[in-house]
Amino acid sequence: QQQVKQSPQSLIVQKGGIPIINCAYENTAFDYFPWYQQFPGKGPALLIAIRPDVSEKKEGRFTISFNKSAKQFSLHIMDSQPGDSATYFCAASLKAAGNKLTFGGGTRVLVKP
Amino acid sequence: GAVVSQHPSRVICKSGTSVKIECRSLDFQATTMFWYRQFPKKSLMLMATSNEGSKATYEQGVEKDKFLINHASLTLSTLTVTSAHPEDSSFYICSAMQPNTGELFFGEGSRLTVL
Repeated sequence: QQQVKQSPQSLIVQKGGIPIINCAYENTAFDYFPWYQQFPGKGPALLIAIRPDVSEKKEGRFTISFNKSAKQFSLHIMDSQPGDSATYFCAASLKAAGNKLTFGGGTRVLVKP
Repeated sequence: GAVVSQHPSRVICKSGTSVKIECRSLDFQATTMFWYRQFPKKSLMLMATSNEGSKATYEQGVEKDKFLINHASLTLSTLTVTSAHPEDSSFYICSAMQPNTGELFFGEGSRLTVL
């Protein structure tokens, strides 16, 4: 019930390409879906987040697409740059459960110059 | 975004000793903080929820006596790894919840190596 499945585990794209990372969740009560970016040896940094009443959200080059009926959401990185090479985690939480985050397994993205 | 400071960033200790890691929210008061453990190339595993003024809530399988959590003020939570052993070596990360938005902001992590 609390699981969030993330795919793919790793991704390699050329500079300018659009990495797409997908997540699927089981608990329909989740009400907050953030994405985090993590560089080696650092803590995760919040990139962008969405709530289930919205189907898409854009912030700069990052876009979340949310499909409530399919219980899936995805991250698109437009015009990817080598500096975007990092591990990306999706997550989900429920306000009624104290906003505890359930993380996906992570996707290592490599953007080649 | 909000700043959460974690200290120390790296610590090496001998087996059997205790190590304290601090997590501070620098620009907001956090009644709730979370502690995670992360193994290499793995996702974050929630260890416990730290609530200011009350006992921490531990996730299943996490030893309370091993990982002592204290949330002494609205800006500081500490994790003490007691009687550390090599298997406790890991990357420990805290996060603080911004009370107005519910967003979580993470510290930079603390790399613990137990010899």
